[in-house]
Amino acid sequence: EPEVTQTPSHQVTQMGQEVILRCVPISNHLYFYWYRQILGQKVEFLVSFYNNEISEKSEIFDDQFSVERPDGSNFTLKIRSTKLEDSAMYFCASSVEATQYFGPGTRLLVL
Amino acid sequence: GQNIDQPTEMTATEGAIVQINCTYQTSGFNGLFWYQQHAGEAPTFLSYNVLDGLEEKGRFSSFLSRSKGYSYLLLKELQMKDSASYLCAVSPRGGTYKYIFGTGTRLKVLA
Repeated sequence: EPEVTQTPSHQVTQMGQEVILRCVPISNHLYFYWYRQILGQKVEFLVSFYNNEISEKSEIFDDQFSVERPDGSNFTLKIRSTKLEDSAMYFCASSVEATQYFGPGTRLLVL
Repeated sequence: GQNIDQPTEMTATEGAIVQINCTYQTSGFNGLFWYQQHAGEAPTFLSYNVLDGLEEKGRFSSFLSRSKGYSYLLLKELQMKDSASYLCAVSPRGGTYKYIFGTGTRLKVLA
C-alpha cells in the first residue's frame, strides 16, 4: 500500500540554523500539507499546497517558513532560522481530496 | 473562532465498547475525520463523515450530527492494541481541505 515517507526521522539543530524537512507524498495525490505537533499538544496545521502553490497557511507559518515541490515527487519544508519553540514533530500529509494520509514525521529538536 | 472539544482521557476494559465524543464549532464544514495516534507515531486514518448518520467499519463506527456539531467514535470488542490517542479533526471547507484537530482523547485499555 502506498504511503507518505519523510526524512530525516530525527533532526537536531542549533538555534538560528536552517533546516529542510523532506517528504515524498503518495504519487497520485494532489494536495500536500505540513502539520506540527509540539510534545503533549495537539496537531496544528501549518500550510497546504496545491497546483504548485500555497493554497492556505496558518499564523504559525511566518516568513521563516517556506515550502517547495522541487520535482515531481518531493515536498519540502524549510525553516530559515530555527528557534527553540520550533522543536516539535513535523508531519507531512497528502490527499486526493478530503482524506489525508500522514507520514511518520520528523522529530526536530532545536538547542 | 474554531474549536474542537474531546475528553482528555478515557479508560475501558478489554472486550468492552467505548464511545469517544467530539463537539465542534467551525466557520464551515467539509467533513469530520477520526484518526488513531500511537505515542510518537503518525496519525492513521480511521473514518470520515460528511453526512449525518453512522458509518461502520469493522470494530469502529463513527457518527455525525451536523446540526448539533457533534460526532462520536465507537470502538467495539476493545483490544489492548487499541490503547492510543484518538484525534477528531474537522475540515472547515473544501479547496484546501486543511484539518483543525482537537486535542485528542488518550484511551487506555485495561486487561
